[in-house]
Amino acid sequence: GQNIDQPTEMTATEGAIVQINCTYQTSGFNGLFWYQQHAGEAPTFLSYNVLDGLEEKGRFSSFLSRSKGYSYLLLKELQMKDSASYLCAVTDSNYQLIWGAGTKLIIKP
Amino acid sequence: DAGVIQSPRHEVTEMGQEVTLRCKPISGHDYLFWYRQTMMRGLELLIYFNNNVPIDDSGMPEDRFSAKMPNASFSTLKIQPSEPRDSAVYFCASSPGGPEAYEQYFGPGTRLTVT
Repeated sequence: GQNIDQPTEMTATEGAIVQINCTYQTSGFNGLFWYQQHAGEAPTFLSYNVLDGLEEKGRFSSFLSRSKGYSYLLLKELQMKDSASYLCAVTDSNYQLIWGAGTKLIIKP
Repeated sequence: DAGVIQSPRHEVTEMGQEVTLRCKPISGHDYLFWYRQTMMRGLELLIYFNNNVPIDDSGMPEDRFSAKMPNASFSTLKIQPSEPRDSAVYFCASSPGGPEAYEQYFGPGTRLTVT
């Protein structure tokens, strides 16, 4: 079956760095997305990886290792507004997008 | 652009009633997606369209659910008859390309409560 695993919840301190992991087992791979979703709001796009390596975008970076079926989202200089759920999603060989359950990130002052 | 528009934002209905959710995608986007999100099951893709044609409806729960896209600027998701287990937030999203490589732009969602 198809499966995406993320930690259910993480806590970090304002100003610190946090890494949110995502492992996937899918039938094929055509890309991996990270989305941010604040409570009561819609998901918004953060990053896209299709090749191995690190993609940096401001305070956020996303890493992919296709051979390991693994990705992480790295958030630096955490701000209170970063408190949200972070969703990992993978496109399989049939171009079907499989979503993880999301990681709820709590930022403490 | 105004982004993806959904209506209504909130819907409360009684079991057995018909519910129709509406979506206007971003102009120029060829793909439209309907999702359902609950605490228990997370975000689930129900169906998606490309150029108004349904491409993958494998996520539609059962025959009570139907979706249409009569033109490039409008889509509906209908539930008939509704049941309490249909209570969820329903999102519509659009994108300029396929789900394998293009970001999706989500609407604000419709919060459906079936009593």
